[in-house]
Amino acid sequence: NAGVMQNPRHLVRRRGQEARLRCSPMKGHSHVYWYRQLPEEGLKFMVYLQKENIIDESGMPKERFSAEFPKEGPSILRIQQVVRGDSAAYFCASSGELDNEQFFGPGTRLTVL
Amino acid sequence: AQSVTQPDIHITVSEGASLELRCNYSYGATPYLFWYVQSPGQGLQLLLKYFSGDTLVQGIKGFEAEFKRSQSSFNLRKPSVHWSDAAEYFCAGVMFSGGYNKLIFGAGTRLAVHP
Repeated sequence: NAGVMQNPRHLVRRRGQEARLRCSPMKGHSHVYWYRQLPEEGLKFMVYLQKENIIDESGMPKERFSAEFPKEGPSILRIQQVVRGDSAAYFCASSGELDNEQFFGPGTRLTVL
Repeated sequence: AQSVTQPDIHITVSEGASLELRCNYSYGATPYLFWYVQSPGQGLQLLLKYFSGDTLVQGIKGFEAEFKRSQSSFNLRKPSVHWSDAAEYFCAGVMFSGGYNKLIFGAGTRLAVHP
């Protein structure tokens, strides 16, 4: 049973470009969470999605950031017009219907030049 | 507001010494609490979790943690540290919101181990 998959593991973008981060939850999991870890900081909640629905995006920056979890395929975190301050590690976690435990992927480390 | 606090940013111990990493939480009800470890450039690995029941929780790699409601604490302990334990440790709690959970993380404690 494969764990949570994230790709790419490392992503380099220039300022103004778009970044797309993908997350495939564990098999059987329908809840996906995205967290951001800025350098030297802990993880901060960004968004919680279920299939085809955004449930809570209270941690998402108001502009340039969006997330989706389509019926088929991985969850996508999209950052438009990236800036240097977006450089961080982005972690995805998934959980099952009745779980209180979230399983984390290896993260995507975004570097904005 | 619900929060998780790790008072120690950096801790250095000698190999073989005992270890205690502090974690305090602020919740209205009994929280679900977790300890994760993150090695440099890696993802998070769950060490242990507390949902209910026995307040002393055993985890992987010889770690344990004790939930103390009176002190609002969930400190992580290990009796004898190995050099491979050098990493960053995160305490996290679940915030219940509208029927689902989201994790609130402490800022982390970076552990260095001297030979």
